Amino acid sequence: GAGVSQSPRYKVAKRGQDVALRCDPISGHVSLFWYQQALGQGPEFLTYFQNEAQLDKSGLPSDRFFAERPEGSVSTLKIQRTQQEDSAVYLCASSLRQGNNQPQHFGDGTRLSIL
Amino acid sequence: AQSVTQPDIHITVSEGASLELRCNYSYGATPYLFWYVQSPGQGLQLLLKYFSGDTLVQGIKGFEAEFKRSQSSFNLRKPSVHWSDAAEYFCAVVRSGSARQLTFGSGTQLTVLP
Repeated sequence: GAGVSQSPRYKVAKRGQDVALRCDPISGHVSLFWYQQALGQGPEFLTYFQNEAQLDKSGLPSDRFFAERPEGSVSTLKIQRTQQEDSAVYLCASSLRQGNNQPQHFGDGTRLSIL
Repeated sequence: AQSVTQPDIHITVSEGASLELRCNYSYGATPYLFWYVQSPGQGLQLLLKYFSGDTLVQGIKGFEAEFKRSQSSFNLRKPSVHWSDAAEYFCAVVRSGSARQLTFGSGTQLTVLP
């Protein structure tokens, strides 16, 4: 597709379950970002990939959060032993090049609800 | 610490009226500045960006923003608002240097009255 694609759009899980969220960036985009957006807030940075290399994971809130991009294209954000505070919209963004002046293109997000 | 402040949580304007959404940043060097718009259930769409040069930048959908270094501000404006502009607006920055991630403000929700 032409844009960033995220799946699933909605995910409901019970506390303690593991979840996996997928991001398919725009074809050829080198950089990929994950953000977490709590209700009524702006997105907050989680992690950043340049191709397959995870260059910054300083925003991951705990070691229950793990992200990968093994072939430098599709990325998966995994949350283990989910907790209620993990409920949020998870946004993925990609940019064509690696520079910090590159505009980021966002997907529609995955809304995660933890019961 | 770097921060982005959007002092107006919610703004209501009448259709056809002018609009200004405020954004201030706190950082020593001039960062790269962006405005994004988010409709309900959607991702963020880039409206415009400022890197350097002319301090008045034009964006999509008739929006413009002015960078004022002395005030550390990057306010978004539109001369005549349309009902379809109702959405949430986010100001964001990327630090110059090695940082890559966006730091967002908390957003301004825009309501447009008919």
